[in-house]
Amino acid sequence: GAGVSQSPSNKVTEKGKDVELRCDPISGHTALYWYRQSLGQGLEFLIYFQGNSAPDKSGLPSDRFSAERTGGSVSTLTIQRTQQEDSAVYLCASSFVAYEQYFGPGTRLTVT
Amino acid sequence: EDKVVQSPLSLVVHEGDTVTLNCSYEVTNFRSLLWYKQEKKAPTFLFMLTSSGIEKKSGRLSSILDKKELSSILNITATQTGDSAIYLCAVVIIQGAQKLVFGQGTRLTINP
Repeated sequence: GAGVSQSPSNKVTEKGKDVELRCDPISGHTALYWYRQSLGQGLEFLIYFQGNSAPDKSGLPSDRFSAERTGGSVSTLTIQRTQQEDSAVYLCASSFVAYEQYFGPGTRLTVT
Repeated sequence: EDKVVQSPLSLVVHEGDTVTLNCSYEVTNFRSLLWYKQEKKAPTFLFMLTSSGIEKKSGRLSSILDKKELSSILNITATQTGDSAIYLCAVVIIQGAQKLVFGQGTRLTINP
């Protein structure tokens, strides 16, 4: 595709429910990254995929967060038993040339 | 703990002014420094700096890295209202895999 796409663009969920966020990277990009941006905060690194494997999961804030990537392409970020502090914009980025990451539009998650 | 600090956090200037945004870092295994412009939700890539003292330039924007001072600056000359955005600095570190550490961002507002 022309760029990184994410879905849904907005998600409102009740506290305690599970949510799944999707990222479609740019075709051919081997690396994929998930970030979180809370209101007024900088970008927080969550997890990085190289192909289908995740060499760095150190940014996942708790065991309620998990992510997978299949076929070296689409990735899903799952948040179980959502809490209000999970409310944020979740950004996905992909890259081919090292460090030049292209970001998707993000998913705005609101936990009520 | 790896840390990236940007200053100022917020800046308001008039159209036509020149601005300088600062980024300083304390990280292990530094690889490179990136600048992004964030409007609405998704950051867009501006510059990647790896070598000290070499200025990168794109139109009215320029940036330089000082590895001795562990810092970088982003200059914008002849500012325009379209330059209003959050400018993010990120440092790429290598901890087994590559990882980005972001600063809090500088919110730049250009008034006509």
